[in-house]
Parts: sequence; C-alpha cells; structure tokens
Amino acid sequence: QVQLVQSGAEVKKPGASVKVSCKASGYTFTSYDINWVRQATGQGLEWMGWMNPNSGNTGYAQKFQGRVTMTRNTSISTAYMELSSLRSEDTAVYYCARDGFWSGPNYYYYGMDVWGQGTTVTVSS
Amino acid sequence: SYVLTQPPSVSVAPGKTARITCGGNNIGSKSVHWYQQKPGQAPVLVIYYDSDRPSGIPERFSGSNSGNTATLTISRVEAGDEADYYCQVWDSSSDHPRVFGGGTKLTVL
Repeated sequence: QVQLVQSGAEVKKPGASVKVSCKASGYTFTSYDINWVRQATGQGLEWMGWMNPNSGNTGYAQKFQGRVTMTRNTSISTAYMELSSLRSEDTAVYYCARDGFWSGPNYYYYGMDVWGQGTTVTVSS
Repeated sequence: SYVLTQPPSVSVAPGKTARITCGGNNIGSKSVHWYQQKPGQAPVLVIYYDSDRPSGIPERFSGSNSGNTATLTISRVEAGDEADYYCQVWDSSSDHPRVFGGGTKLTVL
C-alpha cells in the first residue's frame, strides 16, 4: 500500500542539527511532491517547505529559510529534511506528506493525501 | 503570505450537524482541502478540491467554498468525529504555496 515511513525520535542539544528521513513505498517516488509539516505540542500544523523528488527543486517557508534543507535519494525512494541551529522552540513532531504531481505539462493538486507517522524531535540542553 | 482563519472550537451534539468555517480573502477563488487529526495521530485528508471526498471517507463529510468562506460540514455527527480539523490551500503564485488554517477543535457533547 501507499505509505511514507519516517525515521525515529531524536533528542538534540540547542545549536545542533537534525536530519529526518521519509521513505516512500507503494507508488512512484519521483511523481509526487513531498512536504514537511511540523506541529508543536498543543499547536497547529505549520508548513515548512516542499520538494520535487524528480528535479530536486525545493521551496521553503520564509521562517525556515537558511536553516532547513530538503533533499532526496531517488535510488532508495527517500526524502530528507535537515534543520540546523536548533533551539527549544523547534521541539515538535515533524511530518512528511505527499501532495501535487505532474502529468505531462500539467500540475495537479489534490491536497496532502498520504502522511508519514511523524517524528518527534526534542531540543533540550 | 495568505492567511486562513478558523474558529478555535466548535461543539455539537451527537446526531446533529457540525459546520467548521475557514475564512480567507477571496478564498472562493482557491481550492480548499480539509484534514482531520485525532490525538497522537497524523492528519488525514477528508475533503479535497473544496468538496470531493477521498475513498474511505464517509458521505457525512462534505465541503463548500464561496466568497471569503469555505465550510466543512459533518452530518449526523458521531463521537468518533471528535478531532482537530484544519483547512489548507495551495497558492501557486505565492512563495509560501501551502498554507494551513489554525485548526478547529470539534467537541461532540
């Protein structure tokens, strides 16, 4: 079945970096954009950025520009999100989610239909 | 970036109809997607393209979008519908192309 499986929980110290992985299965990884969304405890969903796994093109929310890097390894159908200069406010659950896809020259968007299970990142000294 | 506004909470009795709104400037010109999130779980897409339901989502879930307000309607509400609900739009012309509303906590009385 179509699924995204994320790496396990992380505990990091302030100032460190964290890299979360998101492995896709059940569909063609390069066909759909991958997004990263985070959620602090008791808070709403916060979109961080997107990546086209085929081209490697990315777009980041202004809040995270300069601190976030989204990459992929197409040979193992895996997307990565690295966040640097961590601070306590980055403590959250991080989700990957697929959404839009290209079919020929056209881009189709039907919302984020598949989500990973979430990865808890705790930033604490 | 584009701003989506949702009420923090909505309460409804079992068997009644719940309506959760999502406000945005001329949101009727955009496509709105809705997600349900239960505690400790990842969000689930329940409505896409304003009013379409993914397979497996009950017909009790419906959506509409016009003017400055999009609405998620849940008919014959059940206890299992208690969750947080988020609206989301895709704005291809923006440098912040995916935007979420702040979320609405649906309480089933």
